Amino acid sequence: EAGVTQSPTHLIKTRGQQVTLRCSPISGHTSVYWYQQALGLGLQFLLWYDEGEERNRGNFPPRFSGRQFPNYSSELNVNALELEDSALYLCASNFNPGQGHEKLFFGSGTQLSVL
Amino acid sequence: GENVEQHPSTLSVQEGDSAVIKCTYSDSASNYFPWYKQELGKGPQLIIDIRSNVGEKKDQRIAVTLNKTAKHFSLHITETQPEDSAVYFCAATNLNFGKGTSLLVTP
Repeated sequence: EAGVTQSPTHLIKTRGQQVTLRCSPISGHTSVYWYQQALGLGLQFLLWYDEGEERNRGNFPPRFSGRQFPNYSSELNVNALELEDSALYLCASNFNPGQGHEKLFFGSGTQLSVL
Repeated sequence: GENVEQHPSTLSVQEGDSAVIKCTYSDSASNYFPWYKQELGKGPQLIIDIRSNVGEKKDQRIAVTLNKTAKHFSLHITETQPEDSAVYFCAATNLNFGKGTSLLVTP
């Protein structure tokens, strides 16, 4: 069974540009989560999508946005990139996180460098 | 909102010793507390989790304890091995993670 896949694995952008990151969840999983992992800051929750709807949003500015498609894959978009957006962006999935299904399965992430 | 504090940020133990990582949370409504292990170049992987109606859970060399009154929970790894070396994250729900503990197990 394929795990959570993310693309691209690495990305280099310059300040002010826009970027789109992609995530395919494990087959059968309906929820997708996005996290930012910057050096020394742990995992910071960005967005949670379930069944195509945004369920929760972390404390990030509106230039961070995303969506979930009917096949449950997801995109994370970041506009007007800033140097501090440089981080590893992790995607995770689970199946309808009711009790007993909370376990997250993570992808290996997209390393974004903003110059 | 929820705030999760994790200590220590780094931990070095000798092979065979025990390792303990502690976390505190602020929101008494939190009811799910997972622990993730992240090896270099990989995404985090769940190693154990506990719900608020349970005080302790064990899985082989790994155990987690939860004190709801004090709002803190801990990860205990016994008989550590070099392959336990990684970054460990605690979380309160799936939305609030600690900053991680870098564990180094030396042979």
